[in-house]
Amino acid sequence: RKEVEQDPGPFNVPEGATVAFNCTYSNSASQSFFWYRQDCRKEPKLLMSVYSSGNEDGRFTAQLNRASQYISLLIRDSKLSDSATYLCVVNNAGNMLTFGGGTRLMVKP
Amino acid sequence: NAGVTQTPKFRVLKTGQSMTLLCAQDMNHEYMYWYRQDPGMGLRLIHYSVGEGTTAKGEVPDGYNVSRLKKQNFLLGLESAAPSQTSVYFCASSPGWVYEQYFGPGTRLTVT
Repeated sequence: RKEVEQDPGPFNVPEGATVAFNCTYSNSASQSFFWYRQDCRKEPKLLMSVYSSGNEDGRFTAQLNRASQYISLLIRDSKLSDSATYLCVVNNAGNMLTFGGGTRLMVKP
Repeated sequence: NAGVTQTPKFRVLKTGQSMTLLCAQDMNHEYMYWYRQDPGMGLRLIHYSVGEGTTAKGEVPDGYNVSRLKKQNFLLGLESAAPSQTSVYFCASSPGWVYEQYFGPGTRLTVT
């Protein structure tokens, strides 16, 4: 089993739709969780950190479920500019960050 | 404020050639990292450094060497390039492990 697993997609959604991605992780001792966004042929950039209580930033909501070992990202009212690959990132043993393979989102007009 | 810069942006090598990738950051970050990104594999950590003069192996260190002689620079070396090292290489820096990592624009390397 991969340490961090994501559905590669692509998720094709119309503008204005709500879309959710899940990411599962294997190390129950993981402490830090993040979502990064990566545009085509560009570097990853932090979208948001994921806290135990969940957190929201505008149209984006991140949740952590420790019991089932997954984190989620919800995007409301999708915009064309949300089209990108979303990377789930978890810190594992040895304090390294492990990146998932990414979920590709395509928002259509 | 340039953030994290990488040189070169593109490079084509022949099998057996050597090269050095340079990463520079101007944010006074202690931690620096080298990743490679391959289709379907996600970002994988090659080597990292927790401060000037220190380096450590990541998940996929074989075939690479690194040096951190100055706090702002982190060099990645390929002594004898192989086609399996064809990839996009990203450098990143952060104040510490649990903080946001800032990435450079990447270097696209092709080994023929």
